[in-house]
Order: sequence, then structure tokens, then C-alpha cells
Amino acid sequence: AQSVTQLGSHVSVSEGALVLLRCNYSSSVPPYLFWYVQYPNQGLQLLLKYTTGATLVKGINGFEAEFKKSETSFHLTKPSAHMSDAAEYFCAVSVGDYKLSFGAGTTVTVRA
Amino acid sequence: GAVVSQHPSWVICKSGTSVKIECRSLDFQATTMFWYRQFPKQSLMLMATSNEGSKATYEQGVEKDKFLINHASLTLSTLTVTSAHPEDSSFYICSAEGGSTDTQYFGPGTRLTVL
Repeated sequence: AQSVTQLGSHVSVSEGALVLLRCNYSSSVPPYLFWYVQYPNQGLQLLLKYTTGATLVKGINGFEAEFKKSETSFHLTKPSAHMSDAAEYFCAVSVGDYKLSFGAGTTVTVRA
Repeated sequence: GAVVSQHPSWVICKSGTSVKIECRSLDFQATTMFWYRQFPKQSLMLMATSNEGSKATYEQGVEKDKFLINHASLTLSTLTVTSAHPEDSSFYICSAEGGSTDTQYFGPGTRLTVL
């Protein structure tokens, strides 16, 4: 079975500062990895995903993530935070059968 | 593209009544849809996998007689919470697999409050 651990339930950054959200996964087979964002009282929006190929993945809204097999990690970054980035972020893993296992989520707040 | 809708967006019902939530893929056909439950400040928990034309597959601990799932077409799945009780109050989110892709697209969620 696969699982995801998100380190840090809450991250606070200043506007314009680097955003770094940590995600480590466990999987017995090559994983598919995803980052989703959720705004209050809304569903989830896909930020980016890794399936195969290039390990540095670029997503929407300036986010990117790097798959590091040796570290079993898929950390999400954005060089410069914007106020609109305040939301809940979920890392998820699947093994290609569409079933997703989600991490506990990380709440991002952005200080002006 | 890949838009998923849910209806209603919120519902309040009395204890003991049943509530139906619809999940539709608007611009693509989805053989498989998923139903999740999310409690406040928590992650999403998969309740069941819904396949068009067949019975849903429920995750361990989810009562299939309480959470009835029907996937009658390639664009519609419904979740019916039967004999709802206050502990069923939650945010219910559906998703649909995007056909030839390996990605789930999520609906906006339905807030259920049982009084």
C-alpha cells in the first residue's frame, strides 16, 4: 500500500518569499505523485503531477515540484509567494489505478 | 476542459431523512468516479469507487447500505446518504478520472449538515 506524509501542518510565509511544502511518500511500485490546492469550501484543484519522465515538474500558478526517488520525496516550491497562494495544499500518491492516498494537508498563510 | 460539478453545493436536512448528491463530469466521460469525505481541518478520505454500470467498491469501514452509490451513466454518479444522522455531517467531494489521463478531477464539494 502507498502512503504520503506531509511535513508541517501549517506554513507561514511573507509575501514574495519562497514557499516550500514537503511531501514524502511510501510506495512499493513506481508512484504517480500529485499536488492539489484547496480553497475554503471548495473542491481540489490540480497544481501538478508526476508520472514518468522529467523529474522536475512545473505546474500552474508558478508552482513546481521535483521527484527524488532516492529521497522518496516530492516537495512543492514557489519562488515568490502571493497573497492568493493562501490555501490548503495536499500531496497525493497513486500507483496508476486512479485511487489516491492523500497526505494530511498543509495550510499556507501569506503575510503581507 | 475536465470540469466536474456537484449538486447541491450545500444541504441541510433533518435527522432520519435521506439526501442525494449528484456528481457530473461536464465535458468528458468518466468510467470511474470517486467519493470522498472530508471533516473540518482534515484530509480527504476515500469512501468508495464508482464504476459505470457496476456496483461501487467501498473502502473498509464505510457502510454501503448507508451510503448508496449509483453510477448510471458515463457522466453521472450519485451518492445517497440514507437515514442521515448528525455524525454524517461533513463535506462530501466527488472526483472523476479523466479518461485517457491518469488524473482525477474534483468537484467543488457538497456541505451536508444534519440537524
